[in-house]
Amino acid sequence: AQSVTQPDIHITVSEGASLELRCNYSYGATPYLFWYVQSPGQGLQLLLKYFSGDTLVQGIKGFEAEFKRSQSSFNLRKPSVHWSDAAEYFCAVGYPGSGSARQLTFGSGTQLTVLP
Amino acid sequence: DTAVSQTPKYLVTQMGNDKSIKCEQNLGHDTMYWYKQDSKKFLKIMFSYNNKELIINETVPNRFSPKSPDKAHLNLHINSLELGDSAVYFCASSLLELGQLPTFGSGTRLTVV
Repeated sequence: AQSVTQPDIHITVSEGASLELRCNYSYGATPYLFWYVQSPGQGLQLLLKYFSGDTLVQGIKGFEAEFKRSQSSFNLRKPSVHWSDAAEYFCAVGYPGSGSARQLTFGSGTQLTVLP
Repeated sequence: DTAVSQTPKYLVTQMGNDKSIKCEQNLGHDTMYWYKQDSKKFLKIMFSYNNKELIINETVPNRFSPKSPDKAHLNLHINSLELGDSAVYFCASSLLELGQLPTFGSGTRLTVV
C-alpha cells in the first residue's frame, strides 16, 4: 500500500534561515507529489505539485521541492524563511493509475515554528 | 469570494447525538469530497461525489452519510456520534479531470464529549 512519511513532527528555524522539510513516499511507480500548507483556522493551500518532467519544482511563496526517485523523496525547501511561513506543512501523494490526482494520501504533517 | 465554505467551524456535541456539517463551493467544480483529519494529523479521504453521484467511498462506518443535493453542495450527516469521531473534517472540490487537484475548505473541528 502507498504511504507518505514526514519524519519531522516539529521544526523550528529562525527568520531568514533556510528550511528543508522532508517527505518520503512508498509507491510502486512514480506518483504525483504535492505539498500543502495549513495555517491556523485555514484550509489546505497547495504550494506546489509534481506530475512529471523537471524534478525541481517551483511553487508559490518562494518554495521549491525536488523529486528524487532514488531516495523516494520530495523534500520542500525555502532559502530564507519569513515569520508568515509558520504553519503546518503536508506532503501528499496521488495515484496516476486512478486517472486523476483527486484521491490523495497525506503525510502526518510538519509543524513549522519561526523564531524572530 | 470564490471558495469552498463549510459550516460550522466548530462543533461540540455529546455522544449519541446526530449532527450535520454543510459544505458549499462556488468554483463551478463537478466533484466534491470529504476528508477526515485525525488526532495524528493524517488526512484521509472519506467520500467523493461527482455530479451528485458517489464515486469514492472509503471504509467509513455507515453512521456517516453524505448527501449531495446538487453539484455545489455536499453535506455530511453523522448519526449516533462516538468519541472516536472527534476530528477535523475537511470538505474539498475539484474538476474530475486528470491533474485537477482539490480546493479545500477551512475545516470543521468536531469534538464529541
